[in-house]
Amino acid sequence: GAGVSQTPSNKVTEKGKYVELRCDPISGHTALYWYRQSLGQGPEFLIYFQGTGAADDSGLPNDRFFAVRPEGSVSTLKIQRTERGDSAVYLCASSSMTQETQYFGPGTRLLVL
Amino acid sequence: DQQVKQNSPSLSVQEGRISILNCDYTNSMFDYFLWYKKYPAEGPTFLISISSIKDKNEDGRFTVFLNKSAKHLSLHIVPSQPGDSAVYFCAAAGGTYKYIFGTGTRLKVLA
Repeated sequence: GAGVSQTPSNKVTEKGKYVELRCDPISGHTALYWYRQSLGQGPEFLIYFQGTGAADDSGLPNDRFFAVRPEGSVSTLKIQRTERGDSAVYLCASSSMTQETQYFGPGTRLLVL
Repeated sequence: DQQVKQNSPSLSVQEGRISILNCDYTNSMFDYFLWYKKYPAEGPTFLISISSIKDKNEDGRFTVFLNKSAKHLSLHIVPSQPGDSAVYFCAAAGGTYKYIFGTGTRLKVLA
């Protein structure tokens, strides 16, 4: 079956702009996660959704970052007033239930100039 | 402070030989461990996992060993193949969904 998909695969933007990153989880997966991977590091947790609600957003670095999942499937990560330090690969993962194995998408490579 | 450490940034192994990738952790509350493989420009792909109630789990050419007293786990790949060349990430979780990842080890299998 289809895996987790993410769009766009690459995004180049200018400092101060707004960006949206989209994640389409595996069909039927109720849990969805966003991670961020900086160069030379492993992925770091950002936010977790169970269904439509953000159950844990403790990993979001500041209030410029926000994520939604209005219908319990597709999720959008939104970054306002982007900064150069936001440049990273943003990974989305999903699992059939919470605490089941997480399956990752290919990521969106964000570059803020 | 890094809770999950992969101290070898890279490893080269001859095709057909065993690859051993190591991972150390500091948090004794971790009870679930995973290995992911990552190719360039792709997301991490799940390989194998192990619960803290076990000390070994096998899946084909891949075996994960867990030593709880030493807070150490390792991934063995036998025999290694050129297609195994990738970055391998160790991850741990402690009764939650928050995976804590190491920084990765780049494996190169030489033909």
